[in-house]
Amino acid sequence: GAGVSQSPSNKVTEKGKDVELRCDPISGHTALYWYRQRLGQGLEFLIYFQGNSAPDKSGLPSDRFSAERTGESVSTLTIQRTQQEDSAVYLCASSPHRGTEAFFGQGTRLTVV
Amino acid sequence: DQQVKQNSPSLSVQEGRISILNCDYTNSMFDYFLWYKKYPAEGPTFLISISSIKDKNEDGRFTVFLNKSAKHLSLHIVPSQPGDSAVYFCAARADTGNQFYFGTGTSLTVIP
Repeated sequence: GAGVSQSPSNKVTEKGKDVELRCDPISGHTALYWYRQRLGQGLEFLIYFQGNSAPDKSGLPSDRFSAERTGESVSTLTIQRTQQEDSAVYLCASSPHRGTEAFFGQGTRLTVV
Repeated sequence: DQQVKQNSPSLSVQEGRISILNCDYTNSMFDYFLWYKKYPAEGPTFLISISSIKDKNEDGRFTVFLNKSAKHLSLHIVPSQPGDSAVYFCAARADTGNQFYFGTGTSLTVIP
């Protein structure tokens, strides 16, 4: 597709379960970001990938969160032992390279019950 | 600590009039600024950007103004249309950083 694709669109999970969120960036985009937006709040940076460089993980809120990216393609964000405060919309974005605007996917709405 | 602030949670404007959305920042290292528009249940859509070497950038009905001394930027929409009703986020990044810092958004309602 032409845009950033995220799956699933919605995910409801029980507290304590692990979840995996997927992001397919725009083809050829070397930079990839994960953000989250909790209800009533702004976008919160989680992690940044740029090509084959080491990712910037400075935004990950705890060691329950991890992300991987294979080369310049798909990325997965994994949340282990989910908690209710993890409920949010998780947004992925990509850009052609570091210096330009980022294009966002539609997000994955995660609800932890 | 919120480095990018949008102090107006909401704004209502009559169709055809000008909409002015404001954004303030605290980090003097920011050198690239962007505006995004977001409809419910969709991801943010890029609107317009400006680098710190400029004080104005225009794209159709959208103009962004940057006042570096005041650490302030604004987005002007002229004329406003009902389809512009959405949440608008400003964002900023430092040349040495990776992440974009986002404001908390301003919900714009354009009244027909």
